[in-house]
Amino acid sequence: GENVEQHPSTLSVQEGDSAVIKCTYSDSASNYFPWYKQELGKRPQLIIDIRSNVGEKKDQRIAVTLNKTAKHFSLHITETQPEDSAVYFCAASIDPADSGYALNFGKGTSLLVTP
Amino acid sequence: NAGVMQNPRHLVRRRGQEARLRCSPMKGHSHVYWYRQLPEEGLKFMVYLQKENIIDESGMPKERFSAEFPKEGPSILRIQQVVRGDSAAYFCASSPPIGALGTEAFFGQGTRLTVV
Repeated sequence: GENVEQHPSTLSVQEGDSAVIKCTYSDSASNYFPWYKQELGKRPQLIIDIRSNVGEKKDQRIAVTLNKTAKHFSLHITETQPEDSAVYFCAASIDPADSGYALNFGKGTSLLVTP
Repeated sequence: NAGVMQNPRHLVRRRGQEARLRCSPMKGHSHVYWYRQLPEEGLKFMVYLQKENIIDESGMPKERFSAEFPKEGPSILRIQQVVRGDSAAYFCASSPPIGALGTEAFFGQGTRLTVV
């Protein structure tokens, strides 16, 4: 089955700096890669996703890059703000259009943005 | 739209009791997924259901755990004879019919199960 590794497990940055979280996956059949943000005690929320037909996707201060050859993908947050502090999870799966959202998650990165 | 509703939010059970977790999907969503989150861990997929059908239960423990999504009413995750290791947050997610444009899975707030 799919195995998703996520690094680092914790990340502390100063407000305004960039944060990068990296994930690797093992199953070359995976072609859907979402990122979820989970604030303490709350539900995971999708912040961005990428499919394997593109190498990069951007949404305001958030970007995700994908390298299918190397089987890794990364989340980039620029100009970080204290409200970005949360746990971020990457996930990988085959296309949900084929098999639904049976996602394989990484263990999460706890991001702390200090003022 | 009230979103994905899970209840109860917190559930305490003694070892050996049964736990029933309920999930009502978002309006218009016909697909439900259950995930378990152990402390300091990511979410682990358990089961994927449509109305009256289990589509994928590859992540479900073989014993004591079962799930259903009846024609009427919420999806239920049932854990029989709970043990301390079952203590976790259980999240439900729902999605529209597969293939609908712009779909994503929306998560509920979770049920935090504590076994004492």
